[in-house]
Amino acid sequence: DGGITQSPKYLFRKEGQNVTLSCEQNLNHDAMYWYRQDPGQGLRLIYYSQIVNDFQKGDIAEGYSVSREKKESFPLTVTSAQKNPTAFYLCASGVSNQPQHFGDGTRLSIL
Amino acid sequence: KNEVEQSPQNLTAQEGEFITINCSYSVGISALHWLQQHPGGGIVSLFMLSSGKKKHGRLIATINIQEKHSSLHITASHPRDSAVYICAAYSGGGADGLTFGKGTHLIIQP
Repeated sequence: DGGITQSPKYLFRKEGQNVTLSCEQNLNHDAMYWYRQDPGQGLRLIYYSQIVNDFQKGDIAEGYSVSREKKESFPLTVTSAQKNPTAFYLCASGVSNQPQHFGDGTRLSIL
Repeated sequence: KNEVEQSPQNLTAQEGEFITINCSYSVGISALHWLQQHPGGGIVSLFMLSSGKKKHGRLIATINIQEKHSSLHITASHPRDSAVYICAAYSGGGADGLTFGKGTHLIIQP
């Protein structure tokens, strides 16, 4: 079955550490997205990519980095510059500027 | 930037009841999404609509472009419908043109 796979489901980060969240899709979608979800808030866009080797910042890109070396993969790195990384992270994909399929998310916490 | 408001924030109902969740937005849009977030966190896209009404099973989504308002209805509600329902309004201009509401937490009691 086609879909989006995010891993890991839970992730813990130590102070000063970079961590990378994985997102893989087998839907042959050109566009991929990363969102952050905090309690009581709507999803916010971190980064998005509409084509391989190209990506754009979203509303809250500071402290995050991404790469898009393959169509299927869009990993997100939460760097030590992100001072409040504890959140639920969702990856999505689609064929235009709007996401159509979402993953099951990764919950990131600070040790 | 579009502002998207959902009501109610929380809703508890009995199995079989007709459910309505509302979504209003401040800026004209080209599409509106309804999403369902399961207790584990995964999100499923329910509807994307730009006018009129769409139906899938017991779910119905309507939109009134002039009034900048959309509703999601659930007929014959069931405990498995318990989830957070999120609307998102797309006003164009790229992926950052999609603004999400905060969600409506629905609990259907048996």
